[in-house]
Parts: sequence; structure tokens; C-alpha cells
Amino acid sequence: AQSVTQLGSHVSVSEGALVLLRCNYSSSVPPYLFWYVQYPNQGLQLLLKYTSAATLVKGINGFEAEFKKSETSFHLTKPSAHMSDAAEYFCAVSHSNYQLIWGAGTKLIIKP
Amino acid sequence: DAEITQSPRHKITETGRQVTLACHQTWNHNNMFWYRQDLGHGLRLIHYSYGVQDTNKGEVSDGYSVSRSNTEDLPLTLESAASSQTSVYFCASSEGYNEQFFGPGTRLTVL
Repeated sequence: AQSVTQLGSHVSVSEGALVLLRCNYSSSVPPYLFWYVQYPNQGLQLLLKYTSAATLVKGINGFEAEFKKSETSFHLTKPSAHMSDAAEYFCAVSHSNYQLIWGAGTKLIIKP
Repeated sequence: DAEITQSPRHKITETGRQVTLACHQTWNHNNMFWYRQDLGHGLRLIHYSYGVQDTNKGEVSDGYSVSRSNTEDLPLTLESAASSQTSVYFCASSEGYNEQFFGPGTRLTVL
């Protein structure tokens, strides 16, 4: 069965520092991959998606992610964290039945 | 602009009552999904639909039902609300293997 693993339920970085949120998936075929962000008391919003075009995907708010098939990874990065980036981030992979398989989420904490 | 809306945004009900949560999308998407989100459990799929008159059970479907009479709406019904169903409920829609678009959520409290 497909699965998505997000390393670290909480990640803390200083404002201005690099953000790195890890996502590894298990899949026998190249999937579609997604990163979503959820701000407090809101729904999930798409940050970016990989659909088998360029392996480096740029998203909103300065985030990007790189698809590495050999490592089955799709890590999310941002060069310089901002206080407004504090939120929960979810990685997801498409399933053959149109569903998404979700990671458990990583809460990003920004220290001033 | 196309959107997906949920109502009510907040609901308090009593154990044993029937509750219906509404979900309406104007994306004209065929796929619609209901999730619940609880601390420590992430997003869990309750029910989903791939089109009118199609409904399917997800991983946590016990005590819930849905119906799909048109493309735009997928109401979620709790037949007899239980305290274990206190949660935040999200509706989402998509087309094919593309991204899911989420509603703002409904916070349900069962007393």
C-alpha cells in the first residue's frame, strides 16, 4: 500500500533561516505529489504540485520542492523563513483511485 | 471565481441527534471527498464520490452517510451523533488526479 512519511511532527526554525520539511513516499510508479499548507482555523491550501514535468517545482509564498525519484522524496524548502510561514504543512501523493494519500503533517514554528 | 463552501462553520449538537453538514462546490468537479481532522490523526477519509449517484466508504465511514444527487453538492449526515464524532470536518473536490480543493471546514461539537 502507498504511504507518505513526513519526518518531524514539529520543526522549529529562526526567522530568516532555511526551511526544510521532509516528505518521503512509497509508490511503484511516478505519482503526482502535492504540498498543502493549513493556517490556524482554516482549510488546506495548495502550495505546489509535481505532475511529472520539471523535478524542481516552485510554489506560492517562495516555497519550492524537488522530486527525487531515486530517493522517493519530495522535500519542501524555503530559503528564508518569515513569521507568516508558521502553519501546518501536509505532503500528499496521488493514488490510482483519484484519492490522495496524506502524510501526518508537520507543524512549522518560526522563532523571532 | 469557483469555490467550495461548507455550512455551518460551527455546530454544537447533542448525542443521538441527526446532523447534516453541507458542502457545495462551483468547480464542476466530479470527485468530492469528506475528511475529518483530529489532533494526532491527521486527515482521515470518511466518504467520497466520483460523480452523481456514486458514493463510497472511506477508512472511517461508520456512523456517517452521504448522497450525491447533483454535481455541486455532497452533504454528510451523522445518523446519530456521538461524542467521538466531535471533530473538524473538511470537504474537498477534484478532477481526475489533480489537486483537491478544500472548503473552510466545519467544527462540530457533540455534547
